Amino acid sequence: QSVLTQPPSASGTPGQRVTISCSGGSSNIGSRSNTVSWYQQLPGTAPKLLIYSDNQRPSGVPDRFSGSKSGASASLAISGLQSEDEADYYCAAWDDSLNGRVFGGGTKLTVL
Amino acid sequence: QVQLQQWGAGLLKPSETLSLTCGVSGGSLNNYYWGWIRQPPGKGLEWYGEINDSGQINPSLKSRVAISVDTSKNQFSLKLTSVTAADTAVYYCARVNAGDDAFDLWGQGTMVIVSS
Repeated sequence: QSVLTQPPSASGTPGQRVTISCSGGSSNIGSRSNTVSWYQQLPGTAPKLLIYSDNQRPSGVPDRFSGSKSGASASLAISGLQSEDEADYYCAAWDDSLNGRVFGGGTKLTVL
Repeated sequence: QVQLQQWGAGLLKPSETLSLTCGVSGGSLNNYYWGWIRQPPGKGLEWYGEINDSGQINPSLKSRVAISVDTSKNQFSLKLTSVTAADTAVYYCARVNAGDDAFDLWGQGTMVIVSS
């Protein structure tokens, strides 16, 4: 069982806005010094960084992707959903108690 | 453009040692942490540990795991001893951008199968 909790699946139709949640605790997401990152994993490929420092996008990531954090939870929002967004999405953060990085269990996004 | 290229044995027998290496091309090991993450078939990502160019290893490494860095060859390595079938997974190397606290660059992944 993952330290960070994500819904196993999410879905939406093209053009819709979808959000994926990531719930943690006071030693990881809820810690002031720790930030959340999000990764997109297309089938058969390595993960790709989508969001870092809670809400920052690396160069090249479309602004359709946005991140937010409140307390011990974080969210990834995808607006203007496209078929190519169909992938697995993972959140991650440092955990002060475990003294290591933790990932969410992943959310499989289906574009209907 | 910085790239990570990883290599190592893909088929092991139980009790053997897994050994993977990740080479950094187009850039230096300096000023970054370098990590290993694994993904069992059909499952999620699991962090194994990180090391910087000075050889400092982040704590809480799981037992059986050793991570090392070779600055002269611009590469870093993972060793996992006494493997079992449960260690069957895709292993990824990745760069940690400490300022952003995220894995901003990933290797292509190596599928390691443990089977007798």
